[in-house]
Amino acid sequence: SQQGEEDPQALSIQEGENATMNCSYKTSINNLQWYRQNSGRGLVHLILIRSNEREKHSGRLRVTLDTSKKSSSLLITASRAADTASYFCATGSILTGGGNKLTFGTGTQLKVEL
Amino acid sequence: KAGVTQTPRYLIKTRGQQVTLSCSPISGHRSVSWYQQTPGQGLQFLFEYFSETQRNKGNFPGRFSGRQFSNSRSEMNVSTLELGDSALYLCASSYPGGSYNEQFFGPGTRLTVL
Repeated sequence: SQQGEEDPQALSIQEGENATMNCSYKTSINNLQWYRQNSGRGLVHLILIRSNEREKHSGRLRVTLDTSKKSSSLLITASRAADTASYFCATGSILTGGGNKLTFGTGTQLKVEL
Repeated sequence: KAGVTQTPRYLIKTRGQQVTLSCSPISGHRSVSWYQQTPGQGLQFLFEYFSETQRNKGNFPGRFSGRQFSNSRSEMNVSTLELGDSALYLCASSYPGGSYNEQFFGPGTRLTVL
């Protein structure tokens, strides 16, 4: 079963615009991670935010986490055509399994047009 | 460092057959996790191996099994294949001990069951 729901399911923007994706999850978490997947290939780790952090930046990426609302958002600023991909949030929670088990959201398909 | 490799990349089988997929983690990584990705169910956790021991298991039938060797390479096996097993199977490795770490994914094995 999936822990997270992502919204929107699909997003189409122009190059240079910002893209915001949201993720909601169901249980208390240890951390939340965002991954990118290009066209049915392997996933690439983007950023990890711990449950005691509220905001994190990495290059053009900004992630926020609101544990009271069980939600996170990923902002990609100044988007490029190369950012076209599916984006997934993934949570690690002792309540859904230990070790490195991640529970993935449903994903947002981002299309950046020239 | 070389990334996570998976073999074969593509596989076509018929119902009732069995299949073995292989994953070689990044050198030094001792944790290997397997995920199944389908359009309907999304990304689902199969199991994780750490130091040759299964550390976590998802909600899949016993037809899905795995193992890890002393060099951290991992295999997963699916017996008595069903049409619904058609999916992209992703392997991910992680370096440190502990839990919920950044995962490094391989390119996946695309399995088609006819």
